[in-house]
Amino acid sequence: GNSVTQMEGPVTLSEEAFLTINCTYTATGYPSLFWYVQYPGEGLQLLLKATKADDKGSNKGFEATYRKETTSFHLEKGSVQVSDSAVYFCALSDQGGSYIPTFGRGTSLIVHP
Amino acid sequence: GAGVSQTPSNKVTEKGKYVELRCDPISGHTALYWYRQSLGQGPEFLIYFQGTGAADDSGLPNDRFFAVRPEGSVSTLKIQRTERGDSAVYLCASSRTGDNSPLHFGNGTRLTVT
Repeated sequence: GNSVTQMEGPVTLSEEAFLTINCTYTATGYPSLFWYVQYPGEGLQLLLKATKADDKGSNKGFEATYRKETTSFHLEKGSVQVSDSAVYFCALSDQGGSYIPTFGRGTSLIVHP
Repeated sequence: GAGVSQTPSNKVTEKGKYVELRCDPISGHTALYWYRQSLGQGPEFLIYFQGTGAADDSGLPNDRFFAVRPEGSVSTLKIQRTERGDSAVYLCASSRTGDNSPLHFGNGTRLTVT
């Protein structure tokens, strides 16, 4: 079956530091890959997505590249802000799974001023 | 427009009681999903509706859990004979069509079974 593995948190950074949150996946088909973000007190919301190999998703300064050869979709940002403090969830969906998203456990990011 | 609304935001109930959790999706979204999230874990799939019908209920843990969406809009997740292990945040999400369109989540209902 499908699964998503994320690095354990919390990740604690100073403002303007470089961010990487690792995500690897297992899927039987050719999945689409997603990053969702949950800010404190809010629901999960889509941050970015990529639907095929070598695609790069980007939004709000965050990027992730769909790497089929390493089955990875690592999230990166060049310079984090305090307002980026949130929990980040990697997810996948594919036709074999009826396009029902499978989520990772989430990685908490804490950014200090 | 309005997002996905879940009520109540918090529910405390005694072991053995029956509870209903409500989800009001974004208007016009045909797909609706229920997930459960335990502390420190990601959302775990429970059931998926396409319109009025449950297209996939493979995530429901046992027959104490049931969900309906009678008019293809509002959905209710029903839990009978609640157990302490049912304590979690129950998340509802909707999407426009269901085939890889992004999910829009509500803020969840935190269920505590004492």
